[in-house]
Amino acid sequence: EDQVTQSPEALRLQEGESSSLNCSYTVSGLRGLFWYRQDPGKGPEFLFTLYSAGEEKEKERLKATLTKKESFLHITAPKPEDSATYLCAVRDPNDYKLSFGAGTTVTVRA
Amino acid sequence: DVKVTQSSRYLVKRTGEKVFLECVQDMDHENMFWYRQDPGLGLRLIYFSYDVKMKEKGDIPEGYSVSREKKERFSLILESASTNQTSMYLCASGLVSSGNTIYFGEGSWLTVV
Repeated sequence: EDQVTQSPEALRLQEGESSSLNCSYTVSGLRGLFWYRQDPGKGPEFLFTLYSAGEEKEKERLKATLTKKESFLHITAPKPEDSATYLCAVRDPNDYKLSFGAGTTVTVRA
Repeated sequence: DVKVTQSSRYLVKRTGEKVFLECVQDMDHENMFWYRQDPGLGLRLIYFSYDVKMKEKGDIPEGYSVSREKKERFSLILESASTNQTSMYLCASGLVSSGNTIYFGEGSWLTVV
């Protein structure tokens, strides 16, 4: 069974203090690793899809990278509006569905 | 933009009631999904559908059924609601050819009393 582990569970940052979130996975034959942002009481919002080791994608202050065993979501100079829970998911190579990690809750203080 | 619309944001139902949660997507996606999200347990897949009238069980299908009569609509049915089904329910849709990125609706908060 796929295993997706995110760390840390919670991250408290000062505005402007860059940091990284980790997502490690054990699925073989990865067919996509996905990052989502979720605000309290709302559905997850799609951020990035990564397919192969070495791939990187950026959106504003967020940058996602992928290796053969893990992915990182880097937050550069975060602002309070970056506060959210960030979810990582991997796609089962033999299936349509995604398996999600438990998420990292990021709080950015002004 | 992709739009996944869940018909009800907040519902309160009594134990034993039959509950329908409706979801509509406007992007002609083949695949649709129902997840539930609980604190400490993350997102868990209940059912998914890879085509009209086709469905497959996810990780926690017990106590639920689904219906997909039209491509754009996927319904989750709780045949006899129980208090342990109090949760946030998330519908999602995706297109296999897009690498199966799935897009979520805003969620439906169900409380069973």
